[in-house]
Amino acid sequence: QSALTQPASVSGSPGQSITISCTGISISTYNRVSWYQQHPGEAPKLVIYDDTKRPSGFSYRFSASKSGNTASLTISGLQAEDEADYYCCSYTGGDTVYVLGTGTKVTVL
Amino acid sequence: QVQLQQSGPGLVQPSQTLSLTCVISGDSVSSNSAAWNWIRQSPSRGLECLGRTYYRSRWYNDYAESVKGRIVISPDTSKNQFSLQLHSVTPEDTAVYYCARGVAASGFDFWGQGILVTVSS
Repeated sequence: QSALTQPASVSGSPGQSITISCTGISISTYNRVSWYQQHPGEAPKLVIYDDTKRPSGFSYRFSASKSGNTASLTISGLQAEDEADYYCCSYTGGDTVYVLGTGTKVTVL
Repeated sequence: QVQLQQSGPGLVQPSQTLSLTCVISGDSVSSNSAAWNWIRQSPSRGLECLGRTYYRSRWYNDYAESVKGRIVISPDTSKNQFSLQLHSVTPEDTAVYYCARGVAASGFDFWGQGILVTVSS
């Protein structure tokens, strides 16, 4: 099961919106895409699950969508604290239950 | 609030077995709605799901194709924890290893702190 494809890096200025894409065959099969934020030296943190849902209490500035084999994470009103690595993840239904993305480094200019 | 606390050695010799434990608080390893996962992260392989154990009237395991045959994930209900054993390790198995809770195939909502395991003589 190949990793999901993400852009290596995305950048934006404070207050702007950015979008991170995630492409893979398994994305269109199940409504089970999740997204994670990882700051240096920390464990990943769930920011989106079931394609578009935000965990309770998580910032409304994070939203997600999906079309065909591509899922997208949008961060609006970019803030310095959003600078981190972001990973997508898709349920596959196979023995390798989940496949993760290659990761995107978000830089706040 | 669910918390996962990992423990285990940070250095393993090539061809030996990597063993890690994840202690669960705030949930049960025997939960009928959760699955207990091991995930690793390295510069060369990125984030990689290794496998999981879960209970649905009986115990189940799923293992990634990349490590199948070398991996065992097992629950310990008496200590409310689960463990990872990865046999015949090579330097390519050097990574930060995480345990994580999964719910209803919706991703991983709680993670352990991560342990860097280096495979080296």
